[in-house]
Amino acid sequence: DTEVTQTPKHLVMGMTNKKSLKCEQHMGHRAMYWYKQKAKKPPELMFVYSYEKLSINESVPSRFSPECPNSSLLNLHLHALQPEDSALYLCASSQEGGSAEAFFGQGTRLTVV
Amino acid sequence: GQQLNQSPQSMFIQEGEDVSMNCTSSSIFNTWLWYKQDPGEGPVLLIALYKAGELTSNGRLTAQFGITRKDSFLNISASIPSDVGIYFCAGPPRYSGGGADGLTFGKGTHLIIQP
Repeated sequence: DTEVTQTPKHLVMGMTNKKSLKCEQHMGHRAMYWYKQKAKKPPELMFVYSYEKLSINESVPSRFSPECPNSSLLNLHLHALQPEDSALYLCASSQEGGSAEAFFGQGTRLTVV
Repeated sequence: GQQLNQSPQSMFIQEGEDVSMNCTSSSIFNTWLWYKQDPGEGPVLLIALYKAGELTSNGRLTAQFGITRKDSFLNISASIPSDVGIYFCAGPPRYSGGGADGLTFGKGTHLIIQP
């Protein structure tokens, strides 16, 4: 099983809403990531979790709050977003310890209205 | 952070033609990855390169890790319609030393195939 599963696939939310994006992998990977991708741009790293601990936060605004409940799950909690936060949010996972090969989910297309 | 320069930005080719694209960096990379992304989907890993000079194939795809460790090339032979998409080079943004650092991506090459 080499799948990373993200839910929901699409999400529309108002600027005052609170919502969460979910990601799950069963490959035994101990590193998990959130990326943000705007249209016709490459993915940009947001957060890195290593062994369920947040190891990298790429200066992401606090309205994005990541959470790693266990080694298979990664959430991204959203609150008070702005329309410019509309993007494709990608989750990925990789082996810890030397392998950079990351496997991506299908992404959540987020629209903030 | 490290920058990856990917070219060309887009390619319009005929079905059956061979395709070449490349990535360069101002600093040394110890890993080069090539991904393909279809519209509305996540990137899919095509090829991973870990040694300078390494040449690796995956079906009609061939990628090379440059000797200087500052560049990489991806070639697609005999293109078919399903090759359409965006191809990204990527690598760890800093020398990871075994840790998880995430990836820095090139800006992508949009491949468009005319039947």
